[in-house]
Amino acid sequence: QSALTQPASVSGSPGQSITISCTGTSSDVGGHDFVSWYQQHPGKAPKLMIFNVSNRPSGVSNRFSGSKSGNTASLTISGLQAEDEADYYCCSYTTSSTLVVFGGGTKLTVL
Amino acid sequence: QVQLVESGGGVVQPGRSLRLSCAASGFTFSSYTMHWVRQAPGKGLEWVAVISYDGNNKYYADSVKGRFTISRDNSRNTLYLQVNPLRAEDAAVYYCARPHDNSDWYSMYHWGQGTLVTVSS
Repeated sequence: QSALTQPASVSGSPGQSITISCTGTSSDVGGHDFVSWYQQHPGKAPKLMIFNVSNRPSGVSNRFSGSKSGNTASLTISGLQAEDEADYYCCSYTTSSTLVVFGGGTKLTVL
Repeated sequence: QVQLVESGGGVVQPGRSLRLSCAASGFTFSSYTMHWVRQAPGKGLEWVAVISYDGNNKYYADSVKGRFTISRDNSRNTLYLQVNPLRAEDAAVYYCARPHDNSDWYSMYHWGQGTLVTVSS
């Protein structure tokens, strides 16, 4: 079982906005601003979409945004496009001895 | 441009050892923390280990602690993951990854293509 909890799946129609949640504890998501989000298409390596809760790397569309409230981080995708259909993973620093932990992943379906 | 190329995967018997490598180029390897992340077939991403830029600090997932060893050779721009002994549950694609910048430990910006480890007798 992953330390960070994500919904198994979310869906939305083209043009809509969706939000994926990532719930942890005060030892990880809630206690630090080192939350990142990754997009992974089938058979491909993951791609960093958001780092440090809300920062976008160069080249990532501004349709992707990140936020955090308490022990829950969120990834919002606005203006859904067909190519956004992928698996999304959150990741956080943790004060446990392991240092880094991923969420279980969320499959986004664009209807 | 940044390139990370993993190698060393293959079909290995349970109980045997394996060393994975990640050859880095296009950046100053010795300035960056580096990660290993794995993904079992049909499963999610699992963080495995991280090593500091100088090799002096290492952290592991509980699931691999005591069996996996992360190391690096900055003179060869290469990251390693020693696995010993292999278990069936270690079967996965193993990725090496580099953070967004050299002051960052926790994001993974650049990824290799991965190397597949199959555990089978």
